[in-house]
Amino acid sequence: ELKVEQNPLFLSMQEGKNYTIYCNYSTTSDRLYWYRQDPGKSLESLFVLLSNGAVKQEGRLMASLDTKARLSTLHITAAVHDLSATYFCAGATGTASKLTFGTGTRLQVTL
Amino acid sequence: EPEVTQTPSHQVTQMGQEVILRCVPISNHLYFYWYRQILGQKVEFLVSFYNNEISEKSEIFDDQFSVERPDGSNFTLKIRSTKLEDSAMYFCASTRTGESSPLHFGNGTRLTVT
Repeated sequence: ELKVEQNPLFLSMQEGKNYTIYCNYSTTSDRLYWYRQDPGKSLESLFVLLSNGAVKQEGRLMASLDTKARLSTLHITAAVHDLSATYFCAGATGTASKLTFGTGTRLQVTL
Repeated sequence: EPEVTQTPSHQVTQMGQEVILRCVPISNHLYFYWYRQILGQKVEFLVSFYNNEISEKSEIFDDQFSVERPDGSNFTLKIRSTKLEDSAMYFCASTRTGESSPLHFGNGTRLTVT
């Protein structure tokens, strides 16, 4: 059974700083997803990583996947307040995309 | 941009009552899902649905839960006899291919069981 863990669970960072969120998973995962959730809101898709070495970037966020280490990272560059949210990674195996979510990382960017 | 819509946004019910949560997935999507999120916790898979039948379900999805796609657009989750611990946010999601495309989530239904 696929298990997904994230760390840290909570991250407070100042605007302008860089940081990385880590996502480890327990068994083979065919693909890895990153989602953003604002308080009381739905889950917004950020990235889908399909293969070893995949790297995707959107604005100040960059996600990567290392399938050998069973690790994905979400790197935040020069954080801004608007990035404050909870970030979830999720793994999936097989078809039908049943996602197994990590515990989430609550990011708070302070001025 | 097309989106997944869920109704109602908030449902309050008494323990033991039946509730039906409704979802309209994106029109050309083929795979449908229900997930739930207890307040402040991670998102948990309940059930996936493809080709008019359940393709996978979790341990949470016991006999009191059922899903249905009664017509070409709606996708419903029924909880037959609600318990206090069913209080959570329920998210419907859909995707087109089932593999490389992301799941698109609705805004959720907050279910409160009293």
